[in-house]
Amino acid sequence: ILNVEQSPQSLHVQEGDSTNFTCSFPSSNFYALHWYRWETAKSPEALFVMTLNGDEKKKGRISATLNTKEGYSYLYIKGSQPEDSATYLCAIQKVTFGIGTKLQVIP
Amino acid sequence: NAGVTQTPKFQVLKTGQSMTLQCAQDMNHEYMSWYRQDPGMGLRLIHYSVGAGITDQGEVPNGYNVSRSTTEDFPLRLLSAAPSQTSVYFCASSLRRTGNYEQYFGPGTRLTVT
Repeated sequence: ILNVEQSPQSLHVQEGDSTNFTCSFPSSNFYALHWYRWETAKSPEALFVMTLNGDEKKKGRISATLNTKEGYSYLYIKGSQPEDSATYLCAIQKVTFGIGTKLQVIP
Repeated sequence: NAGVTQTPKFQVLKTGQSMTLQCAQDMNHEYMSWYRQDPGMGLRLIHYSVGAGITDQGEVPNGYNVSRSTTEDFPLRLLSAAPSQTSVYFCASSLRRTGNYEQYFGPGTRLTVT
């Protein structure tokens, strides 16, 4: 069973702050990493699918980078807004999930 | 396009009862899967299917059965419910099994076994 670690487990930031969190995974036999946004009482929603070392993806104020050689991905949120409050999940090989980083943006 | 739908949203069972959680998708996706979500743990894969008539076990398959008679439907059966199966269950689908395809989740079923 592959081990996916996310840090920090939770995070409080002020509205307007930029923030980032990490997903770490075993670098051997890697083929894909998924980031999801999961709001309370809803279902996980796909943000990015990343496959290549050095990949950078962006959607609005959210972006992600991938380093498959050292086994990590960063998710960045620029100018956090209250509506960004959610748990951010990463998964490798599509089916192995981390516990998530719970982000709370304080107005 | 309804996406991935699940029924019921909530269910309470007594130990030993059986039931079926329904999952359907209308996106003609080849790959479907079931996960359970427990506090302090990541989503864990129960069973998955790569097409009609083809199913396989995930990380935590014990106590659950699945079948895939059509592309659209992927029901999860609890054979004899146990309190350890109290969880939130998510069904998901993806165009293909391979990792570079996005996965779409249903709204979840919250199951309590007393």
